[in-house]
Amino acid sequence: AQSVTQPDIHITVSEGASLELRCNYSYGATPYLFWYVQSPGQGLQLLLKYFSGDTLVQGIKGFEAEFKRSQSSFNLRKPSVHWSDAAEYFCAVDPTDSWGKLQFGAGTQVVVTP
Amino acid sequence: NAGVMQNPRHLVRRRGQEARLRCSPMKGHSHVYWYRQLPEEGLKFMVYLQKENIIDESGMPKERFSAEFPKEGPSILRIQQVVRGDSAAYFCASKNSPGPGDEKLFFGSGTQLSVL
Repeated sequence: AQSVTQPDIHITVSEGASLELRCNYSYGATPYLFWYVQSPGQGLQLLLKYFSGDTLVQGIKGFEAEFKRSQSSFNLRKPSVHWSDAAEYFCAVDPTDSWGKLQFGAGTQVVVTP
Repeated sequence: NAGVMQNPRHLVRRRGQEARLRCSPMKGHSHVYWYRQLPEEGLKFMVYLQKENIIDESGMPKERFSAEFPKEGPSILRIQQVVRGDSAAYFCASKNSPGPGDEKLFFGSGTQLSVL
């Protein structure tokens, strides 16, 4: 079955430390891949996306993600987190045979401590 | 340049009542998606509409739920005879062209529906 998995429900990280959020997908072909961030009471904001080409993609707010076909993964990273990065992060896929609807992972809640 | 506007932000209904959620897409956008986010879960696709047409409703519950996107006015997600299990955040997203992988999908801030 097609699926998107975010193994970590909750991550706590110190301000200034590095952050890595995991995302694995299970699809027949490589789908389009996205990371979104949701701050409390807000809608989703696109951080970055991968369609094809360079497997290391840069996004907004200092985030980057690496697509690894062999591992069916699209992990999100940030070298040094800021308190404002506390939010919920969603990995999403868009199977190439869909109409553009997204399938989301369950999300990872990131808490940033001083 | 207003983004995707959803209202109300919060909606409280008693069991058996009707809930109407509204979504005004970004200016120039004719493609609207509705998603539902249950507590502790990610967003789940419900329905994809273009002006006056339902393109894909594969994520909509078979009963009590309906959606429309008329020629004029906002898209409406309607839930009849609400039950407690309908309590969730409902998000609308819009974009200006069809096709998979379009990057310009903008989300609204959502409507939090609480059923008492």
